[in-house]
Amino acid sequence: ELKVEQNPLFLSMQEGKNYTIYCNYSTTSDRLYWYRQDPGKSLESLFVLLSNGAVKQEGRLMASLDTKARLSTLHITAAVHDLSATYFCAVDMWMDSNYQLIWGAGTKLIIKP
Amino acid sequence: ETGVTQTPRHLVMGMTNKKSLKCEQHLGHNAMYWYKQSAKKPLELMFVYSLEERVENNSVPSRFSPECPNSSHLFLHLHTLQPEDSALYLCASSQPGGGRTNTEAFFGQGTRLTVV
Repeated sequence: ELKVEQNPLFLSMQEGKNYTIYCNYSTTSDRLYWYRQDPGKSLESLFVLLSNGAVKQEGRLMASLDTKARLSTLHITAAVHDLSATYFCAVDMWMDSNYQLIWGAGTKLIIKP
Repeated sequence: ETGVTQTPRHLVMGMTNKKSLKCEQHLGHNAMYWYKQSAKKPLELMFVYSLEERVENNSVPSRFSPECPNSSHLFLHLHTLQPEDSALYLCASSQPGGGRTNTEAFFGQGTRLTVV
């Protein structure tokens, strides 16, 4: 079964702390995306990870991809309130003769001042 | 401004109404998608159009009818919907390359649909 699992689904943390969101997927893929969604808003692309060992950083967020472990992480360093949002990972998977984006359920992140 | 524009942003309709959602992309992409986002559920892919041809349906009920007249416009026609169809409907576009039908997707702001 094609699955993308995010962990945790909900996270409440204090400003200044570090934390990691995990994205596991069930079958071979070499392309993974991270998106951010603010309440009532659309999805904003954060990172595109295209190969094993890929690491990308933007401000306090850093994403990495391990295709052998079928795992991506989104690490938050010294969290600030503005990073409160829901974060989704999505994986390109080959199914029904096409590549499709398979989505995780999202991780709702609340950062308290 | 995301380059993908959806209208209307909010829609309330009765179960006997017929309405349409519109999506327009200004990014020069040739693939467009409709997604449904319900509370506490993963994003659900409803329809995929690549080069104006439907390539994926994902077993969506026939009360949802997509239309893609050209690579820049995508519609979702709605008729005799049910209250459980209330959700955020998101349009996205991408520019497939290298033989793949999916690369990074760019999303519109969504239409918040309420069926009463």
